[in-house]
Amino acid sequence: QQQVKQSPQSLIVQKGGIPIINCAYENTAFDYFPWYQQFPGKGPALLIAIRPDVSEKKEGRFTISFNKSAKQFSLHIMDSQPGDSATYFCAASRDNYQLIWGAGTKLIIKP
Amino acid sequence: KAGVTQTPRYLIKTRGQQVTLSCSPISGHRSVSWYQQTPGQGLQFLFEYFSETQRNKGNFPGRFSGRQFSNSRSEMNVSTLELGDSALYLCASSQDSLSYEQYFGPGTRLTVT
Repeated sequence: QQQVKQSPQSLIVQKGGIPIINCAYENTAFDYFPWYQQFPGKGPALLIAIRPDVSEKKEGRFTISFNKSAKQFSLHIMDSQPGDSATYFCAASRDNYQLIWGAGTKLIIKP
Repeated sequence: KAGVTQTPRYLIKTRGQQVTLSCSPISGHRSVSWYQQTPGQGLQFLFEYFSETQRNKGNFPGRFSGRQFSNSRSEMNVSTLELGDSALYLCASSQDSLSYEQYFGPGTRLTVT
């Protein structure tokens, strides 16, 4: 019930394409769903986050889609660039409890 | 504001030794969390400190311990190091609540030989 399942494990997309990374959860008490981006040699950085009362949130080229009934949320990157190549992590939490992390997706954007 | 800083950045230790890692949170942040990151296991939560008190703890053996000082700086200690402890140890700070808007440091790369 505490798991967050992330897929795919790795993804290669051509520049300009729209990579989509998916996460699924079981615990309906989760109320905060962030995405983090991590470059090699750096710690993860918060990219965008969503609460379950909205179905979509956009920040620049990054969009989170949230499907409460399916208990799934996904990250879309519009007009992807080689500089977006990184590892992406989804996570979920409730109240004051610790974040439960997905396993990560290594994204490569080919020029 | 300066970001989260971690020292040292790299460390090589021998099995059986102990190690102490340090984390300075963003100024004004009172919560510090520690994570272990390995290629196969992703990010694993170790523990979280808030106002010098451990508030949450992950599923790690007692060899892993931590503390937080009055200035919110935190240290993590691993005793009797094992080869499997080789990992990137990340520290994250947040203003108050654990789960929201965590800011990560660059990590300490620990290699146990």
